[in-house]
Amino acid sequence: VHLLESGGGLVQPGGSLRLSCAASGFTFSNYAMSWVRQAPGKGLEWVSSISGSASISGSGVNAYYADSVKGRFTISRDNSKNTLYLQMNSLRAEDTALYYCAKDVSSHIIAVAEYWGQGTLVTVSS
Amino acid sequence: EIVMTQSPATLSVSPGERATLSCRASQSFNTNLAWYQQKPGQAPRLLIYGASTRATGIPARFSGSGSGTEFTLTISSLQSEDFAVYYCQHYNNWPFTFGPGTKVDIK
Repeated sequence: VHLLESGGGLVQPGGSLRLSCAASGFTFSNYAMSWVRQAPGKGLEWVSSISGSASISGSGVNAYYADSVKGRFTISRDNSKNTLYLQMNSLRAEDTALYYCAKDVSSHIIAVAEYWGQGTLVTVSS
Repeated sequence: EIVMTQSPATLSVSPGERATLSCRASQSFNTNLAWYQQKPGQAPRLLIYGASTRATGIPARFSGSGSGTEFTLTISSLQSEDFAVYYCQHYNNWPFTFGPGTKVDIK
């Protein structure tokens, strides 16, 4: 299993970024995926999760967002490209963090982060 | 939201000794709890899920226990590579939250 995040960088407050996570070594579509962030020198915060294709109900994929990012961030996935995304809009200084991509243990969102990428750093500053 | 707390904040242990880390939840749930290890400059690593099930490749010296609101991670005989920060995380319901971490350092 290999997860490689990209897309981080320096952005001004109010700006946007799209993070990507390229996955390999497993059947990507079969697993829920998540983004977890860590502000510099701080602890871990679960940001967002999206279910895998095997758990799709009539209403489509399931996605969860932390209250701190709800309405500003959108998680999505392209199973044909084995890639997870996080579109981040209206960025704030408090969004500054290392963003990790994580693979769940199931197609349903269980939120056990079995494998992690190395992270991509997002810095929001003027 | 379930708030997770961990104690102690820092635990100083000599190599070969036993380390016991505690995690407490603000609301009771069954065993939907995971433990992660994070070393400086590295991503977290899953150690334990279901409160007591070791993840793939995790040495037997790591064990987890508990349910409800009280959980424990025990490292039976600390090795040099075990000095790190340890986080508990519940996954009982959204939002999934982590504890603030316990740093295990060398005594």
